[in-house]
Amino acid sequence: ETGVTQSPTHLIKTRGQQVTLRCSSQSGHNTVSWYQQALGQGPQFIFQYYREEENGRGNFPPRFSGLQFPNYSSELNVNALELDDSALYLCASSVDGSNQPQHFGDGTRLSIL
Amino acid sequence: QKEVEQNSGPLSVPEGAIASLNCTYSDRGSQSFFWYRQYSGKSPELIMSIYSNGDKEDGRFTAQLNKASQYVSLLIRDSQPSDSATYLCAVLYSSASKIIFGSGTRLSIRP
Repeated sequence: ETGVTQSPTHLIKTRGQQVTLRCSSQSGHNTVSWYQQALGQGPQFIFQYYREEENGRGNFPPRFSGLQFPNYSSELNVNALELDDSALYLCASSVDGSNQPQHFGDGTRLSIL
Repeated sequence: QKEVEQNSGPLSVPEGAIASLNCTYSDRGSQSFFWYRQYSGKSPELIMSIYSNGDKEDGRFTAQLNKASQYVSLLIRDSQPSDSATYLCAVLYSSASKIIFGSGTRLSIRP
C-alpha cells in the first residue's frame, strides 16, 4: 500500500510568482487535505477536497486554490506569492470527507525570495 | 485564547525518565484528539489517537484525555534519545469540522 506522495520536495520562487504543488493520495483514499506549516508553528488547515470539490476551507485568501482529479490526486495553487508563503506544505488523505486521522506526505518546502 | 495550546519548550528529560507533554483546547464539543511527532525537517507522524476520557496506552506511549478539563496529555516512558522531536497536539473541532494543531512542544532527551 503506497502512502501519500507529494511533489516537488523543494521549490524556490520569487515574490509575485505562481506555484503548483501536487499530491497523490494513499491507495483507497478519496479525500485530500492541504496544510501550511510555517517555521516553529503547527500545520494550519488550508482546505480539503472531496469528490473533486472543495469541502471545507481554513482562513486562507482566495489566491490559495486547489483541484482534485478523478484519480483523487490533488493540486494546490498559490498565486501572487508573498514572502510569508514560505513554509512546508503538507498533504494528507482520508476517506469520504473525514478528517481523522490525518496521515501526511513528506511535504513540499517552498521558499520565497 | 488559542484554540489548541501547548508549552513550546524546550522540555529536557534525562534518558530513561518519563516525559510528560500537555495540551489544552477551547472547543468543548471536540471528540477526537491526536498526538504527532515531528523530527526536524520532516513531516508530522501520527503516534496516538484518543477519543474517550481516560488513558490509552501503546507501547511506551500513553495518551490521557480529560474532556471536562479540556486537557489532553502524552506520556513517554523510558525516554530514549530518538524521542527527541517536536510533539504536536491536534484536535478535531466539531464546530468547524477541521483539525486544529497546537504549535508543538520541543522535547530533548539528554543521555
